[in-house]
Amino acid sequence: AQRVTQPEKLLSVFKGAPVELKCNYSYSGSPELFWYVQYSRQRLQLLLRHISRESIKGFTADLNKGETSFHLKKPFAQEEDSAMYYCALNGSFQKLVFGTGTRLLVSP
Amino acid sequence: DAGITQSPRHKVTETGTPVTLRCHQTENHRYMYWYRQDPGHGLRLIHYSYGVKDTDKGEVSDGYSVSRSKTEDFLLTLESATSSQTSVYFCAISEARAGTGELFFGEGSRLTVL
Repeated sequence: AQRVTQPEKLLSVFKGAPVELKCNYSYSGSPELFWYVQYSRQRLQLLLRHISRESIKGFTADLNKGETSFHLKKPFAQEEDSAMYYCALNGSFQKLVFGTGTRLLVSP
Repeated sequence: DAGITQSPRHKVTETGTPVTLRCHQTENHRYMYWYRQDPGHGLRLIHYSYGVKDTDKGEVSDGYSVSRSKTEDFLLTLESATSSQTSVYFCAISEARAGTGELFFGEGSRLTVL
């Protein structure tokens, strides 16, 4: 079965602090993993995908197959990073399975 | 933003009444999806479509039906709404080029069933 686990419902940090949003997955094949973000009053949108190994808005995520993890990291959080973050796993027919989400709150 | 619109954006209805949500796209994407978003559950797939008249169930399809008679429209119907179907519903579209996996989402439809 395909499953994505985000253990933290809420992560609260101060501006400038490092951030790590945890994501673990369960999948029998070779996973395609993504992070989606939903800012206040905006649509859910793709933040980054593991296959492209890109860094978007200072965020990075490395796929660790041994630990079945895809944690999202940023060395210095900004207030504008406050949002809801979802980790997602791509199954068949492009069906994304989402985690329960982590709300990131960055305080000044 | 991708050309995807949902209607209505907000709806309040009573238990037992039928409800239809519409998703319209102008991107000519093949795949369309309906998700519901609930606190503590994240986004869960209700139904999806991989072409005109080709649909299939997601993980929470009970109580919902869908139709896709045209590439651009994907309708989600609650035949007899229940309070447990109070949620925010998101439509998404995708063009399944290999390796992308990117979904484009609508703005959401907030449904309240009293």
